[in-house]
Amino acid sequence: QVQLVEFGGGVVQPGRSLRLSCAASGFTFSDYGMHWVRQAPGKGLEWVAGVWYDGSEKYYADSVKGRFAISRDNSKSTVYLQMGSLRVEDTALYYCARDPHTSGVSGRFFDFWGQGVLVTVSS
Amino acid sequence: DIQMAQSPSSLSASLGDRVTITCRASQPINSYLNWYQQIPGKPPTLLIYAASRLQGGVPSRFSGGGSGTDFTLTISSLQPEDFATYYCQQSYNTLLTFGPGTKVDIK
Repeated sequence: QVQLVEFGGGVVQPGRSLRLSCAASGFTFSDYGMHWVRQAPGKGLEWVAGVWYDGSEKYYADSVKGRFAISRDNSKSTVYLQMGSLRVEDTALYYCARDPHTSGVSGRFFDFWGQGVLVTVSS
Repeated sequence: DIQMAQSPSSLSASLGDRVTITCRASQPINSYLNWYQQIPGKPPTLLIYAASRLQGGVPSRFSGGGSGTDFTLTISSLQPEDFATYYCQQSYNTLLTFGPGTKVDIK
């Protein structure tokens, strides 16, 4: 069965860095785009970043552009989120999510989600 | 960025009620609109994609409609497991955005 397991979260001071990983199994990882979506405590969903199935295109929300970097290793069925210059407002549960859409910019959606990993940015 | 608005922000309904949630985009997005359900403490699950296509395994009481800027999610007969928060999400361009959510609770 499809599984997405995130790890790498924790408590980090403002201005520091953290790398999240999401290990996928149960499907052909290289056939799917992958994304990170976050949810601050008690708040709604915010898309953070996405990478195409082959890693050729990467997209970021304005709130993280220049600070976060998404990458993937298809040989390891893993997607990463390198987070830098962290701010208090980056505190959230970070989900990785699978995207079955493989052609064109429009039409992407998230058909499977991991359980999420908590990132707390605090001094 | 394309902004998404949802109404109402919350609603109370009874079992068996027909419920409709509205999502409005700040500019036309064709039919690039998806709906998710989130039960507290759980990750979201996909209900509807491309405005009206039911995701596999989702009960047929859920339906979606609309195009352009105005969209709806309808639950034809509310069941106990449907009490949750519902989010719309547009995928018209590279910057994906969600609506603020609609919480459905028990009257």
